[in-house]
Formats: sequence, C-alpha cells, structure tokens
Amino acid sequence: DAEITQSPRHKITETGRQVTLACHQTWNHNNMFWYRQDLGHGLRLIHYSYGVQDTNKGEVSDGYSVSRSNTEDLPLTLESAASSQTSVYFCASSASGGPASTQYFGPGTRLTVL
Amino acid sequence: DQQVKQNSPSLSVQEGRISILNCDYTNSMFDYFLWYKKYPAEGPTFLISISSIKDKNEDGRFTVFLNKSAKHLSLHIVPSQPGDSAVYFCAATYSGSARQLTFGSGTQLTVLP
Repeated sequence: DAEITQSPRHKITETGRQVTLACHQTWNHNNMFWYRQDLGHGLRLIHYSYGVQDTNKGEVSDGYSVSRSNTEDLPLTLESAASSQTSVYFCASSASGGPASTQYFGPGTRLTVL
Repeated sequence: DQQVKQNSPSLSVQEGRISILNCDYTNSMFDYFLWYKKYPAEGPTFLISISSIKDKNEDGRFTVFLNKSAKHLSLHIVPSQPGDSAVYFCAATYSGSARQLTFGSGTQLTVLP
C-alpha cells in the first residue's frame, strides 16, 4: 500500500545544531508539504513543493529550508535549530490537478530543541 | 490574523448524541473546505470535504454544512461514538492558492461512554 513516512519520529537536539527531518511518500504525488503543529495554532505551512526542483516558502519558513531532488522525498532542514522550533512536524502529499486538495499526512516528528 | 477559526478548543458529548463542530473563515476567496481528524501521536487523516457550490455533503455518520453568507461551516457527527474522540481540524483552500490549505486551530472532541 502507498504511504507517507517520516523519520525520525522523535528528535532531541541542541540550539545551533543543524537538523534534517526526512519525509518519503510512495503515492507518486507531485505535491509535498511541511507543517508544524503548535498548541493554539493548528497546522502552519512551512514549505511546499509542486514537483522536482520546485520549492516554495510557506507562512512560517524562516529558519527552515527544503530541497526536492526526486518525487518521493522532501527533507526539511533546520539550519541552526532554535528553541522556538520545538514543535511537532508533519509532512503531507497530494496529487496534482483540480481544486480537491486532499492532503495525506505522515505520522509526524516530535522535535525538541534544548 | 487567522483566516480559519475554530473558537471552541474542546467539546464533550455523550455517546449516541450529536456532535457539532464549528468553523468560521474570513477569506471570501476560499472555495473548498475540508475536515481532518487527528488522534494522538498520529498524523491528521482526511475526513470529509465540501465545495462552495454545495451547502451540504454527507458521508455516513458525518455531514458537513456550509453557509457561505455567514462564512461558517460545521461538521455533524451522528451518532457520536467513543472512537470519534480526537482533535478535528477545519481547513480551507481556493483555486488560486495553488492548493495550499489554511488550517484552524482544532477542536478536541471527547465522546463519553
């Protein structure tokens, strides 16, 4: 069955370190998204991609970067982790075309920055 | 400025009764709305959606109502079951937004046995 996976599921790091969160989908979806979930804010869009070599900034992109070298993967990098980036991160993907933007989410990565 | 608002952080309902979750939006360009359900330690899962050309969409126990003039939508769950206990997120998008979703802050539904 097609799926979307994230790794690691839990990560503890220190302020200033570079961290990369992995996202892999086997749906063959062109669109991929990264969100963070914080209490009181719901899910906020960090970065998104509509295909290989395409990346775009979302609502809360400062301090984060992504790259898309193939259809299946969209890794999220925190260049220099800050305590404000402690959050739960979700990756999602969706098929192209039409207004029906149903996104399918991974299980999430809980990141703690000390 | 939150464009999608879920003003009730939590809701408790007795098993077998109706659960009504509400969502308001401010952006009149939104033309497609979705509800996602999230259990602890899992990602959100798609539940039901509605296009702005409709005012109701039903799928089993779940019905979503859209009132465009009031910029309000609601999710009805009838009858509610303990397994429905989860966080429910409302989300909205429009065709010119390149398929981005804007989420509300979520409502924790607890169905009491």
